[in-house]
Amino acid sequence: QLQLQESGPRLLKPSETLSLNCTVSGASISGINYYWDWIRQPPGKALEWIGGNRYAGSSYNNPSLKSRVSISLDTYKNQFYLKMNSVTAADTAMYYCVRGVGGFDSHFDYWGQGTLVTVSS
Amino acid sequence: DIQMTQSPSTLSASVGDRVTITCRAGQTISSWLAWYQQKPGKAPKLLIYQASSLGGGVPSRFSGSGSGTEFTLTISSLQPDDFATYYCQHYHSFPVTFGGGTKVEIK
Repeated sequence: QLQLQESGPRLLKPSETLSLNCTVSGASISGINYYWDWIRQPPGKALEWIGGNRYAGSSYNNPSLKSRVSISLDTYKNQFYLKMNSVTAADTAMYYCVRGVGGFDSHFDYWGQGTLVTVSS
Repeated sequence: DIQMTQSPSTLSASVGDRVTITCRAGQTISSWLAWYQQKPGKAPKLLIYQASSLGGGVPSRFSGSGSGTEFTLTISSLQPDDFATYYCQHYHSFPVTFGGGTKVEIK
């Protein structure tokens, strides 16, 4: 059974860099049929796709986040990562790592449990 | 970006009711639509993809329909486990976007 688990610092100050890891078990992230994505959800609000990457493919980020986001894969560790720089209070949210089916325009069939990241001075 | 609009935002229903949630896309998305169920404190769970295909392990009381710009999620007989928030998501083009959610409450 495929499982995803987020980890990383949960409290950041404004202007710092958010760094999250997602450990995948039960399947290899080296497959070309899937993207490995991040989605976030501010408290009480709807879901927002952040971006994704694929083995031997390209990464795609939501243009709304401009160039603040970087998503990378480590196939040896079977992990993927999210880095978001210059965070503000607006980046406070539950962050989910997910598997995207198909291309960069995917639906998402497996989700991590999520990790709440709070940005506060 | 394609805007996804769900209605209603909140729905009160009783166990055994037939429930329908609507999702409208700001432009045609063919059948590239998914539905998710989210319970408080939990990650969303995929229910429906490609507008009408049931996700793995999803009970048959859930069904999806529609194409183009208008879609519906139907629960044929609401069960206690179904009280949750439901989101639609298009994946027709980059970037994918989600609807604002529909909360199904106990009447």
